[in-house]
Amino acid sequence: DGGITQSPKYLFRKEGQNVTLSCEQNLNHDAMYWYRQDPGQGLRLIYYSQIVNDFQKGDIAEGYSVSREKKESFPLTVTSAQKNPTAFYLCASSISLEGTEAFFGQGTRLTVV
Amino acid sequence: LAKTTQPISMDSYEGQEVNITCSHNNIATNDYITWYQQFPSQGPRFIIQGYKTKVTNEVASLFIPADRKSSTLSLPRVSLSDTAVYYCLVGDRNFGNEKLTFGTGTRLTIIP
Repeated sequence: DGGITQSPKYLFRKEGQNVTLSCEQNLNHDAMYWYRQDPGQGLRLIYYSQIVNDFQKGDIAEGYSVSREKKESFPLTVTSAQKNPTAFYLCASSISLEGTEAFFGQGTRLTVV
Repeated sequence: LAKTTQPISMDSYEGQEVNITCSHNNIATNDYITWYQQFPSQGPRFIIQGYKTKVTNEVASLFIPADRKSSTLSLPRVSLSDTAVYYCLVGDRNFGNEKLTFGTGTRLTIIP
């Protein structure tokens, strides 16, 4: 059935390593987003993409990179330049030209060890 | 983008009606008001959206006064499963048309 899938659910990374979080949707949505959430905090926008091969920085893009080569996929790479990468990462998608809601994945909890 | 202000937390007893108010003094003419609910370790999910007056669905009601500078999410007869964080967002009706931002939300705790 349709939805947005993030994998893995839990991820451990050694300091200094890059890691890529997967986000796939089969909802035929144009727009996709990555958010970061720290304990007890709201969501902060990292990157968003409104169309294939195009993406924009959000409020906290430093230390992160994304690609949008396919409509269905919007992977997020957490690079070694991100100083505090331990967090809960959420991916979302929405129909860009119509529709009133965003659909979120179940999240990936990244821990740097 | 219109900034929103919500209470940080609220407590309520089971079976009561809960009203969470959001202030958005700088709301633009084209902006809609949308509420999301988030359970721990899950992604937020859409609850309701409105532009003016009142909107009701099977989950909640949304009250928006004529000046649209605030809105109230009303949850009827809450249960323990309504314990969650509730976010108020203000922006374009089409989520994909701008980078909508989430604030810290309102942490609602339902007491047995």
